[in-house]
Amino acid sequence: NAGVTQTPKFQVLKTGQSMTLQCAQDMNHNSMYWYRQDPGMGLRLIYYSASEGTTDKGEVPNGYNVSRLNKREFSLRLESAAPSQTSVYFCASVKDNNYGYTFGSGTRLTVV
Amino acid sequence: AQRVTQPEKLLSVFKGAPVELKCNYSYSGSPELFWYVQYSRQRLQLLLRHISRESIKGFTADLNKGETSFHLKKPFAQEEDSAMYYCALRDSSYKLIFGSGTRLLVRP
Repeated sequence: NAGVTQTPKFQVLKTGQSMTLQCAQDMNHNSMYWYRQDPGMGLRLIYYSASEGTTDKGEVPNGYNVSRLNKREFSLRLESAAPSQTSVYFCASVKDNNYGYTFGSGTRLTVV
Repeated sequence: AQRVTQPEKLLSVFKGAPVELKCNYSYSGSPELFWYVQYSRQRLQLLLRHISRESIKGFTADLNKGETSFHLKKPFAQEEDSAMYYCALRDSSYKLIFGSGTRLLVRP
């Protein structure tokens, strides 16, 4: 039982490049989330998907897009990376409202 | 506005000393609060939830609605408790709102 799996673990991009961060969970969870973690700012929600087929903006969605490909997978895309998007990105999922989130191990992204 | 405030960026204590990590929240409804822990270069893990009223790794947290607080406490800190601790509030649409985190450093 792998839990929440994120790929890649590390990535360096040049300004203007695009990339997709992948997230998959094997726990049959309904809701999935993308957060970014920055020093002194905690975790901020980028986008979330309450159920398969739905996505909604979080606190800091600008510069990002998401796709809930199926119940297992929730990807985050940076169309044109900027240095301000240098961060650690965490994916999380939850079964229903009575549980805490399960987090992935994170993707450390640097945009130069 | 919904907000979680952790006023201390860093808390440094000696092994065996009591620990209290502060968390205050702002929320208009009935709050559901959590503490998450992140050990060095690891993923976030759920430490405890207020509705469970449980003690995990010696940590406890009590919800005080009058003071809008959910402070995390441990009577005797251990070196292995050194980590980043995040307080989080679940809002009405079941999203987690995190505080900025407190780094706990337990010195030998």
